[in-house]
Amino acid sequence: DIQMTQFPSTLSASVGDRVTITCRASQNMGTWLAWYQQKPGKAPKLLIYKASSLESGVPSRFSGSGSETEFTLTISSLQPDDFATYYCQEYNTYSRTFGQGTKVEIK
Amino acid sequence: EVQLVESGGGLVQPGGSLRLSCAASQFTFSDYYMSWVRQAPGKGLEWVANINQDGNEESYVDSVKGRFTISRDNAKNSLYLQMNSLRAEDTAVYYCARDWVGYLNSPYYFDSWGQGTLVTVSS
Repeated sequence: DIQMTQFPSTLSASVGDRVTITCRASQNMGTWLAWYQQKPGKAPKLLIYKASSLESGVPSRFSGSGSETEFTLTISSLQPDDFATYYCQEYNTYSRTFGQGTKVEIK
Repeated sequence: EVQLVESGGGLVQPGGSLRLSCAASQFTFSDYYMSWVRQAPGKGLEWVANINQDGNEESYVDSVKGRFTISRDNAKNSLYLQMNSLRAEDTAVYYCARDWVGYLNSPYYFDSWGQGTLVTVSS
C-alpha cells in the first residue's frame, strides 16, 4: 500500500509568515497530488490539484510544487483565515490515500 | 454553486445497519463519479467508496468490502451508502464528495464536498 507522510504534523506560525508543508509519497506519484484545507467542523476544501494547479477561487498566496515522491504546499503570507488543517491526497492509485494532515496554529 | 447534502447518520449498535443518502443539486449529477469519504473523530480523511456515472462500476477501500454498498439514482440526483455489519471503527463523519475525473474516466480528486453526517457505532 502507498504511504503519504506529511510533515510537520503541527506548525505554529504568525500572520504574515511564509509557511511550507511537505508531503512525501512512498512511491512515484508523478504529479497526481491534491491539497485540501479543512477548518474545524467543516468539510475539506480543494486548494491545489495536479501538484501545482490552483483551484478556481483559491487565493494566489497558496501554491503547490513537487513531483514524483516529494511535494510542498506553500502559503506565501499567512492570513487569519488560513489557520486550519491541510491534507495532501494522491490519485495515482485507486485507493486515493490522504496524508495524515498538518495543523497550522497561531503562534 | 454545487450542493451536496448528506443525511441518515446516527447512533447504531455494533453489527447493525445504516443507510446514508446524499442529495445533489446545482450540477448535472449523472455526469460525475461520486464518492464517500470518512473522517473518524480527531483523525484524518479516508476514501471509502466511489461509483461511476452510470452506477455500474464501484470501488471500495479494503476495510469495508463486503459490508458497504454504494449506489446512486440519477433520476433523483442522489447517492447512497448502505452500511451493514457496522463496527466501532466505522464511527466517523461521512462526507459525500464529487469526483473530478481525468484520463480514461478515472476518478482523481474531490472538487466538492457535503457538510457530512456523523455515524456512531456503539452499544
